[in-house]
Amino acid sequence: GAGVSQSPSNKVTEKGKDVELRCDPISGHTALYWYRQRLGQGLEFLIYFQGNSAPDKSGLPSDRFSAERTGESVSTLTIQRTQQEDSAVYLCASSYKWAGNIFFGSGTQLSVL
Amino acid sequence: GENVEQHPSTLSVQEGDSAVIKCTYSDSASNYFPWYKQELGKRPQLIIDIRSNVGEKKDQRIAVTLNKTAKHFSLHITETQPEDSAVYFCAARLDSNYQLIWGAGTKLIIKP
Repeated sequence: GAGVSQSPSNKVTEKGKDVELRCDPISGHTALYWYRQRLGQGLEFLIYFQGNSAPDKSGLPSDRFSAERTGESVSTLTIQRTQQEDSAVYLCASSYKWAGNIFFGSGTQLSVL
Repeated sequence: GENVEQHPSTLSVQEGDSAVIKCTYSDSASNYFPWYKQELGKRPQLIIDIRSNVGEKKDQRIAVTLNKTAKHFSLHITETQPEDSAVYFCAARLDSNYQLIWGAGTKLIIKP
């Protein structure tokens, strides 16, 4: 595709439910990032995938959060037993390994009621 | 690890005046420094970047300067316009095997 694609664009869920967010990076991009952005706040790093290397999971806030990526393609961020404080925009980004700039998707707005 | 600090958190300037946002980084081995602009409700987008072998880079009304000795880099916007109103994020990176480390963001307000 032409850019980083994220789905769904909006997700409303009830507290305690599990949610799955999807990211389709730009074709050929080996690096993929997940960020969380609360309203009016900065970019909170969650997880970083780089090719076939072990992912950097140091930003995941709790064991309710997990992410997977198959090769250099789609990634899924899963939040189990959602809490109200999980409400935020979840942004995915990708880049070529040797390039500096990263390209963001338009994000998934998650609302936990 | 790398740490990036960004100042100010909010900057209000008169339309037509210049705006300067500054970031400092901790790891002298960092070699790539991008700036992203995030308009309200939209995704962050790259506006300019600089590598450590260059001291300054310009693109029309925006410029970035890098001082490797002092470990800081700055975004300069001249002749500000209403469409410059946004949140600006700086970042730093060691090399391609590492992720970007982000500043906390600066909300730029252009007063008419």
